[in-house]
Amino acid sequence: NAGVMQNPRHLVRRRGQEARLRCSPVKGHSHVYWYRQLPEEGLKFMVYLQKENIIDESGMPKERFSAEFPKEGPSILRIQQVVRGDSAAYFCASSLSTGQGEQYFGPGTRLTVT
Amino acid sequence: AQSVAQPEDQVNVAEGNPLTVKCTYSVSGNPYLFWYVQYPNRGLQFLLKYITGDNLVKGSYGFEAEFNKSQTSFHLKKPSALVSDSALYFCAVRDGNQGGKLIFGQGTELSVKP
Repeated sequence: NAGVMQNPRHLVRRRGQEARLRCSPVKGHSHVYWYRQLPEEGLKFMVYLQKENIIDESGMPKERFSAEFPKEGPSILRIQQVVRGDSAAYFCASSLSTGQGEQYFGPGTRLTVT
Repeated sequence: AQSVAQPEDQVNVAEGNPLTVKCTYSVSGNPYLFWYVQYPNRGLQFLLKYITGDNLVKGSYGFEAEFNKSQTSFHLKKPSALVSDSALYFCAVRDGNQGGKLIFGQGTELSVKP
């Protein structure tokens, strides 16, 4: 069984460029979550999506960040006009439902802004 | 507001000795509690969860955790530590009355020495 897949694993962007992070959930999972892990910190929730809908974006910065989970294809986290403070590991997780099940995490995308 | 505290940044244990990694939580509704482990440059791996039922839950790799409602704690334990258990451990909570996001603790670095 394929787990959560994220690509790219490493991404280097210059300040002002756009970063696009992709996440393919576990097959059959329709709930996707994005978390950010800053150096020396724990994971912080960013956004929760269910197919074609944003359910909770309370952890997402109001500007420059957006996320989508289209009917077909992977979930995308987009960061426009990146700044050095965006450098972090971004993890995607998926779950079968929002009931009692655990979330399964991908390997992460490590974004470095130079 | 939901929160998780892992009071120890690091725990050092000799191989073969029992280990405990501490976690306390705060949530307004029913707590759904989780432990994850993270190896260097990897995503998070699910260890175990408490949703309801027996306060002592058993998980992967010989780990277990005890839910204590009165102390709002969910400490991770293992009777006999292995060097290969050395990793970063995260406790997380979700409000069972609300879907979606996990709130993570800061993480505890477990070091098991031979």
